[in-house]
Amino acid sequence: KAGVTQTPRYLIKTRGQQVTLSCSPISGHRSVSWYQQTPGQGLQFLFEYFSETQRNKGNFPGRFSGRQFSNSRSEMNVSTLELGDSALYLCASSLAGEPQHFGDGTRLSIL
Amino acid sequence: EDQVTQSPEALRLQEGESSSLNCSYTVSGLRGLFWYRQDPGKGPEFLFTLYSAGEEKEKERLKATLTKKESFLHITAPKPEDSATYLCAVQEISGNTPLVFGKGTRLSVIA
Repeated sequence: KAGVTQTPRYLIKTRGQQVTLSCSPISGHRSVSWYQQTPGQGLQFLFEYFSETQRNKGNFPGRFSGRQFSNSRSEMNVSTLELGDSALYLCASSLAGEPQHFGDGTRLSIL
Repeated sequence: EDQVTQSPEALRLQEGESSSLNCSYTVSGLRGLFWYRQDPGKGPEFLFTLYSAGEEKEKERLKATLTKKESFLHITAPKPEDSATYLCAVQEISGNTPLVFGKGTRLSVIA
């Protein structure tokens, strides 16, 4: 069974640009969560989508947004990139009541 | 506010030298406590879920235990391939709340 797939694996952007990251969950998983991981803060929750609806949102500015499509694939968008947005962005999917399974992330570097 | 604290931040062991990692947590009610392993450049890999005090789970050289305030991940006779960052996360019992992660313990096992 294929795992969670995130694309692209690496991205380099400059300040002020915007970026879109993609996540394909495990087949049959309807919940998709996004996390930001940095050395100083660890894993911090961004948002969760379930059946195309945002179910939870973390404490991040409005520049961070996401959506989920009818096939459960999800995207997150970051606008007006800042240096501090450099991080590993992780996506996780799950079945109801089951543990989350993570992809290998997108490494975003802001110059 | 839910909090998860892991200790030590880093641990260096000789091959075969058993030890324990700690995860202390504060939540109003615990739905589940999760242990993950993360290798460099990879996403977290699910290890265990614990739901109630007194519960134990085992997998190869790893055993996870849970009390009302903390969880331990015991590593028996570790091998170099056990080197990784071990992450602990909790989920509150009320509703579909997101996981709250600790900052992890970076384990190095030296041959």
